Formats: sequence, structure tokens, C-alpha cells
Amino acid sequence: EAGVTQSPTHLIKTRGQQATLRCSPISGHTSVYWYQQALGLGLQFLLWYDEGEERNRGNFPPRFSGRQFPNYSSELNVNALELEDSALYLCASSLGSGEEETQYFGPGTRLLVL
Amino acid sequence: GENVEQHPSTLSVQEGDSAVIKCTYSDSASNYFPWYKQELGKRPQLIIDIRSNVGEKKDQRIAVTLNKTAKHFSLHITETQPEDSAVYFCAAVNTGFQKLVFGTGTRLLVSP
Repeated sequence: EAGVTQSPTHLIKTRGQQATLRCSPISGHTSVYWYQQALGLGLQFLLWYDEGEERNRGNFPPRFSGRQFPNYSSELNVNALELEDSALYLCASSLGSGEEETQYFGPGTRLLVL
Repeated sequence: GENVEQHPSTLSVQEGDSAVIKCTYSDSASNYFPWYKQELGKRPQLIIDIRSNVGEKKDQRIAVTLNKTAKHFSLHITETQPEDSAVYFCAAVNTGFQKLVFGTGTRLLVSP
């Protein structure tokens, strides 16, 4: 069974540009989560999507947004990139709220903002 | 909101020794506590988890204990091996809100 996949593996942007990161959950999982892991820091919760709806959001500005598609894959968009957005962005998936809480992580997208 | 504190930030042990990592959480409504291991450049991997209706869980060399009253939980690794070297993160979840709130991580180094 394939795990959570993410693309691209690396992304280089300049300040002010937009970045789009993609995630495909484990087959059968309906919930997708996004986390930011800045260098030397822990993992910070960004967004949770389930059944196409945004269910919860972390303490990040509105320029961090996303969506979940009918096939449960997800996109994270970061607008007006700032230098401090440079980080590893991790996607995780789970079976869905109320069923199984365990979250499984993808390999991440490393975003570098110059 | 939930806040998770994790100690120590670094831990160095000799191969064969035991290692203990401790976490405390603030939200008494948290009911699920996973532990993740992250090797350099790799994704976090779930190694063990515990739910609030259980006090202890063991899986081979790894065990986790939970004290709901004191709101703390711990990871115990026995007979450590060099391949246990990694960063370990604890997390707490209120399954009604689903977001993992992570501790700040413990860098474990096991020397041969």
C-alpha cells in the first residue's frame, strides 16, 4: 500500500511569489493535515481538511490556504512568500475524524524562499 | 489551546542503556498521545501511541506511560541501539479537533 506522497520534493521561490504544494493521502484516508517544520523548530499545525471541508486551522496568516479535492488529495497555497516561510512542509493523512486518529506523514516539501 | 512541553531537548546514552523522554500537556480534554521518530532528512514515523483510557503500552523495546491526573506521558526505550538515534516528538490530540500539538523534540544520540 502506498504511503502519503507529496510534490514537489523541493521548491525554490523568491519573496512575494506564490507556492503551491501537493499531497496525496493513503488510499482510503479522507483527512489531510498540513504542518510546517521550520529549521531547528518543531512541527506546527497549519490546516486540517476532511471530506473536502476545512475543519481546523492553526495560528498562521490567511496567506496560507488550501483545499481538498474530491479524490481527497490536497493543495497548500502560500501567497506573498516571506523569507521566514522557508521550511519543510509536511502533509499527513488519517482515516477521518471519529474513526482513527493516527496520522501518517508524507516525505515533505522543502520550500526555500530567497 | 493545548501546549505540550518536552524534556530533555538532547539526550546522549551509551548503547544498551535506557532512554526516557518526558512530556507534559495542558489540555485535560486531550485523549490521544502519539510518539514520532524523525531521522535526519526523513518524515516523522509513528513509533507508538497511547489513548487516555490506558495507563501503559509496550511494544518490544519501546513503552509509553500516561498519567492523566498529572497530565504527563513518557517514552521509554530500553537496550538502546545506534539506530535509535533520531529526533523524537511527543504529541497530544483532542480527537474532536484532530490537530496534533507537538512537543519541541528530543534529539537522542546513542553511542556504540
